[in-house]
Amino acid sequence: NAGVTQTPKFQVLKTGQSMTLQCAQDMNHEYMSWYRQDPGMGLRLIHYSVGAGITDQGEVPNGYNVSRSTTEDFPLRLLSAAPSQTSVYFCASGRLYNEQFFGPGTRLTVL
Amino acid sequence: GENVEQHPSTLSVQEGDSAVIKCTYSDSASNYFPWYKQELGKRPQLIIDIRSNVGEKKDQRIAVTLNKTAKHFSLHITETQPEDSAVYFCAASNVEYGNKLVFGAGTILRVKS
Repeated sequence: NAGVTQTPKFQVLKTGQSMTLQCAQDMNHEYMSWYRQDPGMGLRLIHYSVGAGITDQGEVPNGYNVSRSTTEDFPLRLLSAAPSQTSVYFCASGRLYNEQFFGPGTRLTVL
Repeated sequence: GENVEQHPSTLSVQEGDSAVIKCTYSDSASNYFPWYKQELGKRPQLIIDIRSNVGEKKDQRIAVTLNKTAKHFSLHITETQPEDSAVYFCAASNVEYGNKLVFGAGTILRVKS
């Protein structure tokens, strides 16, 4: 099993550009989520999904969209990148009511 | 919503000493409390977790205690080793509403040899 995978590992964007961060898992987990990690602020939940076709907002959803068309994939879309979205983004997955496994992260810089 | 506070923000201990990190949570309905370790440039990895029907859980040198009345839980690491140096995060969630985790801000643990 590859576990939770994320692409790209690094990305630099200009303000106003859009892009999609990819996340996939091969463990048949129902639950998937996106977090952002900023210095001194821990991990903050952006969006999450409890199954294919179901998504909901976390603590900091503004400026991000998600979709869950399959169990395996949970892409995160930045609609119009802003410098405030410079961060490390982690995707996580897990069985409902159990441990979450994190992907390796994507380091995003918005200029 | 849930709010998790974590202390201290940094902790330095001598190799072989014990380390204790404390977290408080605000939502009395929270019932799942994991601890994650994150090494520099790596992903967070679960090291131990506890559910609200248990007061204490141990795994070799690591233990977690939970006080539901005080809404407080702690991570205890005994006989610390240099490889324990990392950032540690506590989190809380109500598993009846899915796996939404609210994280503390993290503790940088440095073990000096």
